[in-house]
Formats: sequence, C-alpha cells, structure tokens
Amino acid sequence: KAGVTQTPRYLIKTRGQQVTLSCSPISGHRSVSWYQQTPGQGLQFLFEYFSETQRNKGNFPGRFSGRQFSNSRSEMNVSTLELGDSALYLCASSLLGGEASGNTIYFGEGSWLTVV
Amino acid sequence: GQQVMQIPQYQHVQEGEDFTTYCNSSTTLSNIQWYKQRPGGHPVFLIQLVKSGEVKKQKRLTFQFGEAKKNSSLHITATQTTDVGTYFCAGPQGSNYKLTFGKGTLLTVNP
Repeated sequence: KAGVTQTPRYLIKTRGQQVTLSCSPISGHRSVSWYQQTPGQGLQFLFEYFSETQRNKGNFPGRFSGRQFSNSRSEMNVSTLELGDSALYLCASSLLGGEASGNTIYFGEGSWLTVV
Repeated sequence: GQQVMQIPQYQHVQEGEDFTTYCNSSTTLSNIQWYKQRPGGHPVFLIQLVKSGEVKKQKRLTFQFGEAKKNSSLHITATQTTDVGTYFCAGPQGSNYKLTFGKGTLLTVNP
C-alpha cells in the first residue's frame, strides 16, 4: 500500500510569508501527527489529529496550526515565517496514534522548508 | 515536562564492532519506541516495547526495556555499513498521543 505522502518536498519562503504543508496518511489510518526536525532541537512534536480532532499540541507558538479533513488528510500552516522555522517538517500516520500497543507509526519523507 | 535523554550523541565504529545506544526517561513510560533515520531520509519505525524487562531481537538488533520502564537500550551486534544512521528512542508523554523523542545517536561505520 502507498506510504505517507507529503507535499511539497522542498520549498523556500521569505520571512513574514506563510506556508501550508500537506500530508496524506496511509489509507485507513486515522491519526496524523506533525513533527519539526532541526539539527539543534531534534524531533519536536507539533500536534496530533485523530478523526478531525486535535488531541494534543506541542509547545509551539500560535503561528503553527493544523487541521485534518474527513478523509484523514492533514495540513499544517505556519504564518509570519521566521528564519528559525527553517526545518524538516515530518508527518506521521498510524491507525490509532500514540501508545496503542503494537501500533506502528509511519513517517512521510518530510517537507524541507527554508526561510530566507 | 517529560524528558528523554539519549547517549551517546555520536558513535563511530569499525565494521564488525558492536554498538549500543541508551535511552533514559525522566518519567515511567507506558511503552518505548525505536526509530532509524538514514542520512537524508525520514525516521523509520523499528520496534515498540511495552512490558517491563522486555527484550526483543531483530536479526543483529537487540532491544531492551528496563524493569522500571524508564530506560531502554538498542544493541547492534557486528555492525555493517548498512547500519549507518541516527537511532532515536521515543516515549509517549501525557495523554499518550504525543511522542517525545530523544536527540538520537548518530552511528557511522568505517568499512
């Protein structure tokens, strides 16, 4: 079956602009999580959605937002971009999310965002 | 909040040597997960450990979950160049829908 698909793969934005990233989870998966990966901070949790509801949110400013659609596809948006937002944004999908025993989590290839 | 510490940060070995990375959580975990990320790639799920003292093996990889469910280790026997990458541990925090990742251990293997 098809894996987690993230678009776009690479993008360059200017400070102050906004960006929307998209994630299509594996068919049948209802949980979608987003992570920011940077060399200095590692993998940091942004938020998790399950059946269109945000179940948890990480410690990021309100400029970072997301949503999930009825078909489980998810988008995340970053407004008023800052240089420090340059990172790899990873989407992860799973059947149930979180700790469910035996629940395998699949990451997409990520969206590389560069803010100049 | 919960912290997941991982050591060492880097490890360079000769092909054929063993490798171990350690993960420690500041709180008890309901489970711990391990991922591998190849250079330029994305994290790939390796395994999930749930029970106290659990040990699981995948070919040359051995995963352990501590008795107190606060620490874990990944041991690779006789490393190969294909083992190169960053190994992350991760544990659920709070409501369990949020995974906290360690900073990872970057393994390089000299052929």
